[in-house]
Amino acid sequence: SAVISQKPSRDICQRGTSLTIQCQVDSQVTMMFWYRQQPGQSLTLIATANQGSEATYESGFVIDKFPISRPNLTFSTLTVSNMSPEDSSIYLCSATQGGGRETQYFGPGTRLLVL
Amino acid sequence: LAKTTQPISMDSYEGQEVNITCSHNNIATNDYITWYQQFPSQGPRFIIQGYKTKVTNEVASLFIPADRKSSTLSLPRVSLSDTAVYYCLVGSMIYNQGGKLIFGQGTELSVKP
Repeated sequence: SAVISQKPSRDICQRGTSLTIQCQVDSQVTMMFWYRQQPGQSLTLIATANQGSEATYESGFVIDKFPISRPNLTFSTLTVSNMSPEDSSIYLCSATQGGGRETQYFGPGTRLLVL
Repeated sequence: LAKTTQPISMDSYEGQEVNITCSHNNIATNDYITWYQQFPSQGPRFIIQGYKTKVTNEVASLFIPADRKSSTLSLPRVSLSDTAVYYCLVGSMIYNQGGKLIFGQGTELSVKP
């Protein structure tokens, strides 16, 4: 199994600023993903973080708003840029360890409130 | 990706068996069925995965009929700590070939004493 940690666990930010969320895995993983979860709602996939190349974004999400980095096999960051109150949400990082039909492990999430 | 439909909420009592059914009428040949559990303020946690017939682990059982258009997660003798949201997901799960987890609404299970 993989243990995933995220920093910060929560933050309160001002409109127009940016926040970078870090995701650290305790072992090497093949795939990493970023999700968003509005309070009381289900999870929405933002993008797949690809090592050494640009992330693959889902419909409705763009790199300028959510730039993602993945410099190695255990670490990724998601930046929420030029924030507005609509960006208030929980952001979750997840990862898989193998190339096959692997279990996807999730981090505890980062609670973001934008004022 | 196959769309899933499951009840929004269910109530149960401690010690009862709970069955949550998920419909996935347009499941593809290569798709697997996976269930996740999520507690408040935590990320989802893998429960069980299957392709057809029955799968059982230490936590739950998963029943999949021959046509695979639905599946049922069975939780034996639930306790208060099983109160959570349960998600049914359908997809290839071959992540390095573009597979991904798409979450539906989920079923909010409330277990009462």
